[in-house]
This record gives sequence, C-alpha cells and structure tokens, in this order.
Amino acid sequence: KAGVTQTPRYLIKTRGQQVTLSCSPISGHRSVSWYQQTPGQGLQFLFEYFSETQRNKGNFPGRFSGRQFSNSRSEMNVSTLELGDSALYLCASSFLDSGANVLTFGAGSRLTVL
Amino acid sequence: DQQVKQNSPSLSVQEGRISILNCDYTNSMFDYFLWYKKYPAEGPTFLISISSIKDKNEDGRFTVFLNKSAKHLSLHIVPSQPGDSAVYFCAASAGASNTGKLIFGQGTTLQVKP
Repeated sequence: KAGVTQTPRYLIKTRGQQVTLSCSPISGHRSVSWYQQTPGQGLQFLFEYFSETQRNKGNFPGRFSGRQFSNSRSEMNVSTLELGDSALYLCASSFLDSGANVLTFGAGSRLTVL
Repeated sequence: DQQVKQNSPSLSVQEGRISILNCDYTNSMFDYFLWYKKYPAEGPTFLISISSIKDKNEDGRFTVFLNKSAKHLSLHIVPSQPGDSAVYFCAASAGASNTGKLIFGQGTTLQVKP
C-alpha cells in the first residue's frame, strides 16, 4: 500500500511569491490534515479536510489556504510568502474512524523563502 | 498557550536500558493521545496510542501510560536500541470532530548509545 505522497519535496521561493503544495493520501483515506513544522514553533496544525470540506482550521493567517478534491487529494497554498513561512509542511491522512484516529504522515515539503 | 508539553528536550540512555519519555497536557478535553517518532528529513511515524478510558497500552517494546488526574503520559521503551534514536513527539486530540487536529508537544530527542 503506497504511503502519503507529498510534492514537491524541496522548493525555494522569494518573498512575495506564492506556493502550492500537493498531497496524495493513502488509498481509501478520506481525511487529509496539514501541519507546519518550524524549529521555534514545533508541529502546528494548519487545517483538515474531509470529503472536500474544511473540517478544522488552525491559527494561521488567511494567506494559508487549502482544498481537497473528489479523489481525496489535497493542495495547500501560501500566498505573499514571508521569510517566516520557511518550514517543513507535512500532510497526513487518515481513514477517520472517529475516536481512534491515527494519522499517517508524508515525508513533507521543505519550503525555503529567501 | 502550549497545551501539550514535553519538558525534556533531550534524553540519552544506554542500549538495553529503559527509555522514559514524558508528556504533560493542560486541556482536560483531550481524549486520545499518540506518540510519534521522527527521523530527520522524514515525516513523523506513528508508534503507539492510548484512549482516555485506558491507563496503559502496550505494543512490543513500547508502553504508554496515562495518568488523567495528573494530566501526564509517558512512553516507556524497553529495551532501548540504537535504532530508537530519533525525535519523539507526544500528541493529543479532543473529541471525534477533532481527530485530524493533533496538538503536538515540542519533542524529545532520544539518543541510545551502543
């Protein structure tokens, strides 16, 4: 069974640009969550999608957005990039068996903003 | 407001001995707790979880203990192996509608010396 696939793995952008990251969940998983990992803030929840609907949202500015497609694949977008957006962006998927939900993470997309 | 705390940034143990990683939480609504292990340049890998209705869960060399009155959980690894050297994250979720929204601790770097 293929794991969670994230693309691209590494990318470099400059301030003011925008970026789109992609996530393909494990087959059969309908919930996709996104997390940001930075040295100072650790792993922080961005948002979660289930059946193409945003189910939860973390405390991030509106520059951070996401969506989920009918095949459960998800994308997240960051507009008007800032230096502080440099981070590892992790996607996780789950079957969403409520009450005992284990998230499976991808390897992440490493974003560097110059 | 850090709802999940891992107060020890690092831990070093000898191969074959017990590793004990600790985690404290403040939100009494948390009802599901997980431990993840992370190697550099990889996404977190699920280790073991525990529901708030239990106080102990075992899986091979890994045991998680939950003390709800103290809002404390711990991960025991026995015996520790050099391959266990990684960053360990404690995470928690609150309620069936938030199972994709994990709140993570800052992580503890475990080094197991041969």
